[in-house]
Amino acid sequence: GAGVSQSPRYKVAKRGQDVALRCDPISGHVSLFWYQQALGQGPEFLTYFQNEAQLDKSGLPSDRFFAERPEGSVSTLKIQRTQQEDSAVYLCASSERTGGYTFGSGTRLTVV
Amino acid sequence: GNSVTQMEGPVTLSEEAFLTINCTYTATGYPSLFWYVQYPGEGLQLLLKATKADDKGSNKGFEATYRKETTSFHLEKGSVQVSDSAVYFCARGGTYKYIFGTGTRLKVLA
Repeated sequence: GAGVSQSPRYKVAKRGQDVALRCDPISGHVSLFWYQQALGQGPEFLTYFQNEAQLDKSGLPSDRFFAERPEGSVSTLKIQRTQQEDSAVYLCASSERTGGYTFGSGTRLTVV
Repeated sequence: GNSVTQMEGPVTLSEEAFLTINCTYTATGYPSLFWYVQYPGEGLQLLLKATKADDKGSNKGFEATYRKETTSFHLEKGSVQVSDSAVYFCARGGTYKYIFGTGTRLKVLA
């Protein structure tokens, strides 16, 4: 597609609920990234894929966070047993190689 | 360590005023440097970038020069408009991971 598409735009989850956030990158982009942006802060790195391989997941805050990109295109970020501190905007970005990110509009997750 | 520090906001200016948003970085080597802009309810959009020392990135009247000596990448615009109101993020690149500053909110009044 023309840009990076994320869905849903907004998600309200009850504490303890599992959520799945989707990212559809620009067609042909090899690299895909997930970032977490807390309110009033800059984005912080979560994880990086090159095609279907997850090369770096060092930014995932806990083992409740899991990301996949099984066919090297669409990616899903899953958060199990959500907590209030998980409330943030989750941004996906893609690039042809490394660098030159294009960001999606993000998914705003609110855990109540 | 590797970090990006940018001036705290909010910055409030009148239309046509001169804008400077300071950004300094720490890093080993010479990373690429970026400014991103985030309008309300939207994701980050790349505003400009510089990939090596003394490079000047420019776009939409905004400019920033990669200063190796002062490890800085300050954003400037000679005459801001109301439509420039947004949050601006400085970032440094790495092999693949970006480090972002905390953002500076700019509000331009008519």
